[in-house]
Amino acid sequence: EVQLVQSGAEVKKPGESLKISCKGSGYSFTSYWIGWVRQMPGKGLEWMGIIYPGDSDTRYSPSFQGQVTISADKSISTAYLQWSSLKASDTAMYYCARPYDSSEYYGGFDYWGQGTLVTVSS
Amino acid sequence: SYELTQPPSVSVSPGQTARITCSGDALPKQYAYWYQQKPGQAPVLVIYKDSERPSGIPERFSGSSSGTTVTLTISGVQAEDEADYYCQSADSSGTFVVFGGGTKLTVL
Repeated sequence: EVQLVQSGAEVKKPGESLKISCKGSGYSFTSYWIGWVRQMPGKGLEWMGIIYPGDSDTRYSPSFQGQVTISADKSISTAYLQWSSLKASDTAMYYCARPYDSSEYYGGFDYWGQGTLVTVSS
Repeated sequence: SYELTQPPSVSVSPGQTARITCSGDALPKQYAYWYQQKPGQAPVLVIYKDSERPSGIPERFSGSSSGTTVTLTISGVQAEDEADYYCQSADSSGTFVVFGGGTKLTVL
């Protein structure tokens, strides 16, 4: 069974750093892209970026380029999303997700993590 | 930047047909995908490649494409279908991936 299990909720202060994780299991982790999606409170879904754990090829949405870093450790089947200096506007639910098609990164996501709620407040 | 446009809301009575549209210039060249999201839950893929239905998704969900618009159709709407629905696609080069703004489906 394919599963994506994300790390738990975080409460941080502005300016702090953060790294959240997404562990994949039940499939070949290095053969599928893993993407990150933001959902701000009461708002829609936003595609942030995606990584191919097999070779760490990473693509970012222009809206998130330079604001976050996506990485992966294939030895432990885990993808990461990190911030070096959080802002209050980073408060959101963050989902990791796997595309249904292993050959392309811009297709639909058929498996999703449970989400990680990040709250940034002074 | 590339954008997909959805109506903010659609209302329908139980048993009727709901149609949710998504418009974008690159849709004639790129597939669209549809998600259902209920409060407090992760999104669920209900249609892929414009009109394909994943296993486990009820047959009342269908998708179609015509020019720069794709449509999610829910036939015989049930109360449990009340949710937010999002389309997803890419620009013509396949470089930028975006979601539509989402449509809230209300079952009256």
